[in-house]
Amino acid sequence: DIQMTQSPSTLSASVGDRVTITCRASQSISSWLAWFQQKPGKAPKLLISGASSLESGVPSRFSGSGSGTEFTLTISSLQPDDFATYYCQQYDNYWTFGQGTRVEIK
Amino acid sequence: EVQLLESGGGSVQPGGSLRLSCGASGFTFSSYAMSWVRQAPGKGLEWVSVISDSGGRTYYADSVKGRFTISRDDSENTLYLQMNSLRAEDTAVYYCAKFAVKVAPGGARKYYFDNWGQGTLVTVSS
Repeated sequence: DIQMTQSPSTLSASVGDRVTITCRASQSISSWLAWFQQKPGKAPKLLISGASSLESGVPSRFSGSGSGTEFTLTISSLQPDDFATYYCQQYDNYWTFGQGTRVEIK
Repeated sequence: EVQLLESGGGSVQPGGSLRLSCGASGFTFSSYAMSWVRQAPGKGLEWVSVISDSGGRTYYADSVKGRFTISRDDSENTLYLQMNSLRAEDTAVYYCAKFAVKVAPGGARKYYFDNWGQGTLVTVSS
């Protein structure tokens, strides 16, 4: 099974900050990686697929990069609506999620 | 607009059964593989089961294999999850999710979740 590890688990930041979340796969997954945003009591929302392809309607302050085993999600300028939990997920071999990164207000 | 609406959740005793449903609209349901994903209270996401667009192929996480059965009724645009022999550790919000697909350079098809329902809570407790 492919394991996904995110860091950090919690991130404290202020509005306007540049935020980076890292996701590591236990083996190469090429670019078969998605990023999701989840707010309390809500379903996950797809932000990025293919490691770097922004979904329609997702603000351009979100970006994804990486391939193989190391990936990053970057929010260029954190907005109030961005405080949420973010999950990476591989879909190269079945489907595995990272444990999540909670972005909270500093 | 894609809409997925789960129902059927509730409280059940260990060893009991529940059947979840997911009504789909806004897309050609029969053309898409579908999935159930769950989230235990305060925990992360775990895929539970997947069914192909034709319904001919199904996949299950080891944690539910032999106890859960996924099915679909394309005439009703509905996805189902029959859950038997429920355990306390099955307590979670269960999400219905639609797949999108990308084709890899070698021709393999890679499926990822692009739309989710709002979820339905299943509580297994005595």
